[in-house]
Amino acid sequence: SQQGEEDPQALSIQEGENATMNCSYKTSINNLQWYRQNSGRGLVHLILIRSNEREKHSGRLRVTLDTSKKSSSLLITASRAADTASYFCASSGGSYIPTFGRGTSLIVHP
Amino acid sequence: NAGVTQTPKFQVLKTGQSMTLQCAQDMNHNSMYWYRQDPGMGLRLIYYSASEGTTDKGEVPNGYNVSRLNKREFSLRLESAAPSQTSVYFCASSEAGLSGLSYNEQFFGPGTRLTVL
Repeated sequence: SQQGEEDPQALSIQEGENATMNCSYKTSINNLQWYRQNSGRGLVHLILIRSNEREKHSGRLRVTLDTSKKSSSLLITASRAADTASYFCASSGGSYIPTFGRGTSLIVHP
Repeated sequence: NAGVTQTPKFQVLKTGQSMTLQCAQDMNHNSMYWYRQDPGMGLRLIYYSASEGTTDKGEVPNGYNVSRLNKREFSLRLESAAPSQTSVYFCASSEAGLSGLSYNEQFFGPGTRLTVL
């Protein structure tokens, strides 16, 4: 069974708006990562947050982690049409091997 | 650097045929992985290799075999393809593994789209 589950499954917004995606996981983790996948391509790593961190920023990306709720969120600020992609969370527990969720499909309309 | 490369990009097989998907990485990574991606299912781990000479089963290993030929190459073999194996296959690599690193950013190849008729 998969560890992480993203919500919503699909998100459609206008350019310039913020996009928020959530991820829930079931067991304790060492770290959680977010990946992006453009249509027909492989996944690309965006950001990693460790279990002892609560928030992390990278450019227009902001990731939060709430270990008490076993959840994480990815915020993309001032979205662009080029942000259109699927976004996956991947959590790692005792093993270094991440378990991926089903993804959120984001469409940003110009 | 090419990163992670996969061949072929596309393949159509008939039920019962066999084939090998090739993967190579030039980042000197310890660990390599094979995933399959199906609509609405996200990525599921088929097999992984923590280091040269070792392989382990993932979540969905049935119907597949792997070989870690050397540190660079990790192949996935379908001995007798079935329609249920129609999927997009991704190879990935990471520095973590027996190195003991706790972080594990993975680098993905472009994928192989396999259709089994």
